[in-house]
Amino acid sequence: QITLKESGPVLIKATETLTLTCTVSGFSLSDPRFGVTWIRQPPGKPLEWLAHIFSKDEKSYTPSLRSRLTISKDTSKSQAVLTLTNLGPADTGTYFCARTRHSGYDRFDYWGQGNLVTVSS
Amino acid sequence: DIQLTQSPSSLSASVGDRVTITCRASQTISRYLNWYHQTPGSAPKLLIYAVSTLQDGVPSRFSGSGSATDFSLTISSLQPEDFGIYYCQQTYTTPQTFGQGTKVHIK
Repeated sequence: QITLKESGPVLIKATETLTLTCTVSGFSLSDPRFGVTWIRQPPGKPLEWLAHIFSKDEKSYTPSLRSRLTISKDTSKSQAVLTLTNLGPADTGTYFCARTRHSGYDRFDYWGQGNLVTVSS
Repeated sequence: DIQLTQSPSSLSASVGDRVTITCRASQTISRYLNWYHQTPGSAPKLLIYAVSTLQDGVPSRFSGSGSATDFSLTISSLQPEDFGIYYCQQTYTTPQTFGQGTKVHIK
């Protein structure tokens, strides 16, 4: 059974650093067919692609947040981690991690339930 | 970034209706186009990838078509569980952007 679960703070203060962990099961982060992507969704707004990481540590970030984002993984722990620095109210939203099937045409075939983060000023 | 523009932004239809949602890309994306469905309080669910390939377990009333910059998702016979928001997404290049969503209401 394939699952992903996000964990991290629910409430955090502006200017602080957000660290979110995605713990996966049912597949390995060392499998070249799969990766993990982080996506966020402000309340009532569309989905926003943030970053992804693949088995050989290939990473990509959305340019608008590149200076504030870091993605990493610990294959032995089956975890992918996203950090976002210098938070502001616009960073409030639900943060999802998703398994990226990286064979042929990329797609997000399994998602975590999401971690709602509220940034307080 | 590649922009994806969906239309309409929202629609209301009856059970049994045929519904079509379109997605236009700001540049060619070949067949790197996916569709997702999201209901309130839930994570999105993959419906279709590579324009027209149905994800395992997705009902056959869903279909996708298109190429280059113009794509569409069709629900052949709308069911009550199909309400929610539909998003297109391109994976041609990073950032792998999403459309703004189409909200489907059941009359």
